[in-house]
Amino acid sequence: GENVEQHPSTLSVQEGDSAVIKCTYSDSASNYFPWYKQELGKRPQLIIDIRSNVGEKKDQRIAVTLNKTAKHFSLHITETQPEDSAVYFCAASLPQGAQKLVFGQGTRLTINP
Amino acid sequence: GAGVSQSPSNKVTEKGKDVELRCDPISGHTALYWYRQRLGQGLEFLIYFQGNSAPDKSGLPSDRFSAERTGESVSTLTIQRTQQEDSAVYLCASSRTSGGERQYFGPGTRLTVL
Repeated sequence: GENVEQHPSTLSVQEGDSAVIKCTYSDSASNYFPWYKQELGKRPQLIIDIRSNVGEKKDQRIAVTLNKTAKHFSLHITETQPEDSAVYFCAASLPQGAQKLVFGQGTRLTINP
Repeated sequence: GAGVSQSPSNKVTEKGKDVELRCDPISGHTALYWYRQRLGQGLEFLIYFQGNSAPDKSGLPSDRFSAERTGESVSTLTIQRTQQEDSAVYLCASSRTSGGERQYFGPGTRLTVL
């Protein structure tokens, strides 16, 4: 089955700097890659997603890149703010017939003021 | 409209008791998913419903776990003879259809087995 590895497990950056979180997946048939943000005690919130027919997607300060050949995708947050502090999860989903999301283990991002 | 809702928000039970967790998906969403999140861990898939059928039960950890769904509405996750290792947050998500659609999560039920 699919396996998703996420790095780093913790990341601390200065406010205003950029943060990058990387994930690799094992099944080349995976075609949907969402990123979720989870604040303490809250539900995971979808922040951006990308499909395998696209190499990059951007939404304001957040961008995701996908390298299908290498089977990895990354989350980029620019001009970080204290409210970006949270745990971020990447996930991968196989196409029709296997709809579950397989999640990475999460990255705890801390933005230092 | 309203998002995914779950009840109860917290459940404390004694080892060996049965518990029932409820999920109300977003109206019109045909696909519904259950995940488990242990403290400080990622999300672990349990089961997926398309309508009221469950094509993928591969994540259910044991036969003590079962789930049902009524049509394209409410789902219940039942854990029989609870064990301490069942303590976790149980999250429900729904999506408009299956097949790589965006999944939206409920607030979860925090289950503590004493």
